[in-house]
Amino acid sequence: SQTIHQWPATLVQPVGSPLSLECTVEGTSNPNLYWYRQAAGRGLQLLFYSVGIGQISSEVPQNLSASRPQDRQFILSSKKLLLSDSGFYLCAWGGTRRTNYGYTFGSGTRLTVV
Amino acid sequence: AQTVTQSQPEMSVQEAETVTLSCTYDTSESDYYLFWYKQPPSRQMILVIRQEAYKQQNATENRFSVNFQKAAKSFSLKISDSQLGDAAMYFCAYRSDSYTNAGKSTFGDGTTLTVKP
Repeated sequence: SQTIHQWPATLVQPVGSPLSLECTVEGTSNPNLYWYRQAAGRGLQLLFYSVGIGQISSEVPQNLSASRPQDRQFILSSKKLLLSDSGFYLCAWGGTRRTNYGYTFGSGTRLTVV
Repeated sequence: AQTVTQSQPEMSVQEAETVTLSCTYDTSESDYYLFWYKQPPSRQMILVIRQEAYKQQNATENRFSVNFQKAAKSFSLKISDSQLGDAAMYFCAYRSDSYTNAGKSTFGDGTTLTVKP
């Protein structure tokens, strides 16, 4: 079965510091991968998605960037964090036709920028 | 662009009773998928149920079922025999079947479900 590992679970970072969140997938190859952000008590906002190694698409202009250095690895980064970057970040795998493309999510990262 | 609307920010249900969560969406496409996800206090997102738009039959997963009305663009979730463990935030989501969409999903703002013992 497919599994998504996402870390760290919790992060407290000062304004202006760098960020690196990592997501890896097991049990599948060439997955479509997604980074979402969830504000407190709200829905999910798509930040980036990737359909293959080195292929990154951004949905919203922001202080963040993403990279896909390996087939099953998806990284969310920032050079200098802003207070507005605080939130709950979720990595997701887009599934297959067999699963009707329902997402499998990582366990999330709670980021607090202070 | 597609939009997903969940008009009920909060709902409550008595244990063992039935509750229905509403979702409407806006799209000009004919082929797509709809989902309900559950996010308990742990914040782990879990897929509850899925529906292909080309299927007229409503999906069912144990105590969870949907009422899919394609013409009305409505996709409600019914939870029967509610249990304390059903307490969570529920998200409705839309995914286009278009290849160019790259599998992106659009989520509603969620409905927080409280289950009273």
